[in-house]
Amino acid sequence: EVQLVESGGGLVKPGSSLKLSCVASGFTFSSYGMHWIRQAPKKGLEWIALIYYDSSNKYYADSVKGRFTISRDNSKNTLYLEMNSLRSEDTAMYYCARTLGVMDAWGQGASVTVSS
Amino acid sequence: DIQVTQSPSSLLASLGERVTITCQTSQSISNNLNWYQQKPGQAPMLLIYYATSLQTGMPSRFSGQYSGRSFTLTITSLEPEDIANYFCLQHYSAPHTFGAGTKLELK
Repeated sequence: EVQLVESGGGLVKPGSSLKLSCVASGFTFSSYGMHWIRQAPKKGLEWIALIYYDSSNKYYADSVKGRFTISRDNSKNTLYLEMNSLRSEDTAMYYCARTLGVMDAWGQGASVTVSS
Repeated sequence: DIQVTQSPSSLLASLGERVTITCQTSQSISNNLNWYQQKPGQAPMLLIYYATSLQTGMPSRFSGQYSGRSFTLTITSLEPEDIANYFCLQHYSAPHTFGAGTKLELK
């Protein structure tokens, strides 16, 4: 069974940093590209980052470029999202999702709240 | 960036009714659009990929069509378990962009 489990969320103050993890199981993680997507409270979904299966390419939404970094460790079947200079508008549920051209499986999400 | 306009934003429908949701993209994306269903407190689930292909395990009452830049999700006969939010996603180019969503409720 394909599983993606996010962790590392929490309540942080504006300007601080946080690192999310997404542990994959049930499939060959190293063969898949991986996305981070977020959903602010009562809002729609926002794609924020993509990393290729071999980390050769990374893409970011303008809203997080320069502040967030996507990375992965294929030996640990784990995807990461390092978030710096957090703002109140980064408050959201953060999901990881796998892709082989189609984003076909998502985790349950990790909640991040940025508030003073 | 490719814009995706989804309509309607909310929809009241009766059980057994045919339901249609539309996404329009700002430029041609071929068939690079997926549809997702999201229930409260849950992660989105893939329904339709590459505009017309039904994801394994999803009911056949769901279908997708497209013509040019206009994409349609149809539920042929609404069931109680279909009450959810529905989103489209274009994955033709980064940044991938989602439609704003359609909240489907029972009339």
